[in-house]
Amino acid sequence: GNSVTQMEGPVTLSEEAFLTINCTYTATGYPSLFWYVQYPGEGLQLLLKATKADDKGSNKGFEATYRKETTSFHLEKGSVQVSDSAVYFCALSVSGGSYIPTFGRGTSLIVHP
Amino acid sequence: DTAVSQTPKYLVTQMGNDKSIKCEQNLGHDTMYWYKQDSKKFLKIMFSYNNKELIINETVPNRFSPKSPDKAHLNLHINSLELGDSAVYFCASRQGQSSNQPQHFGDGTRLSIL
Repeated sequence: GNSVTQMEGPVTLSEEAFLTINCTYTATGYPSLFWYVQYPGEGLQLLLKATKADDKGSNKGFEATYRKETTSFHLEKGSVQVSDSAVYFCALSVSGGSYIPTFGRGTSLIVHP
Repeated sequence: DTAVSQTPKYLVTQMGNDKSIKCEQNLGHDTMYWYKQDSKKFLKIMFSYNNKELIINETVPNRFSPKSPDKAHLNLHINSLELGDSAVYFCASRQGQSSNQPQHFGDGTRLSIL
């Protein structure tokens, strides 16, 4: 089956620190990979995605590279802001099958001024 | 303007009652979902509809019944509410069967059972 494993949170950082949130996956088939962000009191929204090996998704200063050899899609940002405080979800989707994307358990990020 | 809208945003009710949550999407997507998010933020898929047809029904008590009157709407009715039903329920939609399409989520319905 498909699965996504994320590092457990919360991750607590000071403003302007470097962020890495690890994500590894297992998939039957060739997945597309996603990072979603959930701000307090809101729904999930797409942050970035990558659909094939070695693709890099990027948005709002966040980046993640699809690494097929290590089955990973780690999220990075060079300098976090207080406004980046949220829960981040790694997810995958495989063509065909049951249409259900597979989500990780989410990683809470807290950024202090 | 809202892409996926859910109503109500908050729902506080007593154990044993029956309630409904409505979801509408104006994106023209043909697949819609219901998720339950617990207090630890874990997202659990409940149902998925494709073109008004139920395609996924995970291990959800039969007190939960989805209904899709058309492909833009997916409602969730819950009978005999229990304390364990307290959670945030999210509706989502996605276009087609291609794996590279992301899901679009509503802002959630916060259900509290007294």
